[in-house]
Amino acid sequence: HSALTQPRSVSGSPGQSVTISCTGTSSDVGGYNYVSWYQQHPGKAPKLMIYDVTKRPSGVPDRFSGSKSGNAASLTISGLQGEDEADYYCCSYAGTYTWVFGGGTKLTVL
Amino acid sequence: VQLVQSGAEVKKPWASVKVSCKASGYTFTNYDINWVRQATGQGLEWMGWMNPNSGHTGFAQKFQDRVTMTRNTSISTAYMELYSLTSEDTAVYFCARAIVGGHHFDYWGQGALVTVSS
Repeated sequence: HSALTQPRSVSGSPGQSVTISCTGTSSDVGGYNYVSWYQQHPGKAPKLMIYDVTKRPSGVPDRFSGSKSGNAASLTISGLQGEDEADYYCCSYAGTYTWVFGGGTKLTVL
Repeated sequence: VQLVQSGAEVKKPWASVKVSCKASGYTFTNYDINWVRQATGQGLEWMGWMNPNSGHTGFAQKFQDRVTMTRNTSISTAYMELYSLTSEDTAVYFCARAIVGGHHFDYWGQGALVTVSS
């Protein structure tokens, strides 16, 4: 499976909303409701932010939300805060016990 | 919940490396262990998974011929061994757990840097 496609970078001002897209195929994103999103600050391990397309783990602010339509998934962050500046990765189940990540998106809070 | 990985390693080309991942704070056999790597400045790359209860494994096609994943349930530790290393294997290697039957990685190790250099 090829990596899922994400924009290299997005930006927004504090308080604004940003959306990060994640495009795959019918063999991964479009075929299963198993898209997850991870936040990674420099030098740190990734942190789970969204799973099963729309679910938020305990402790993740409700400013983070996920959605999916066809072969594309999205992560929306509303009410941007400085601490949201990080790299974001989508990940999808791709069948037969395999997973595939997106290339990552750098979020800059202006 | 904690996943604590072994330290940084420097290896020569064509050598192998074995990275460990010690789990604590939960029942080791109730969660799969996945391995994900990240080259410097690059994205995340899923390598494979192992079920600590059965020992069953699955790998990304790219690594199928040169990776093994094992465990020692008595010490709640998972291992990933990568063979025939090249400079392209220089990366941080993460372990991450996923509940059996789940499809996301809820806790991650701190990462282990493997540098391949002659």
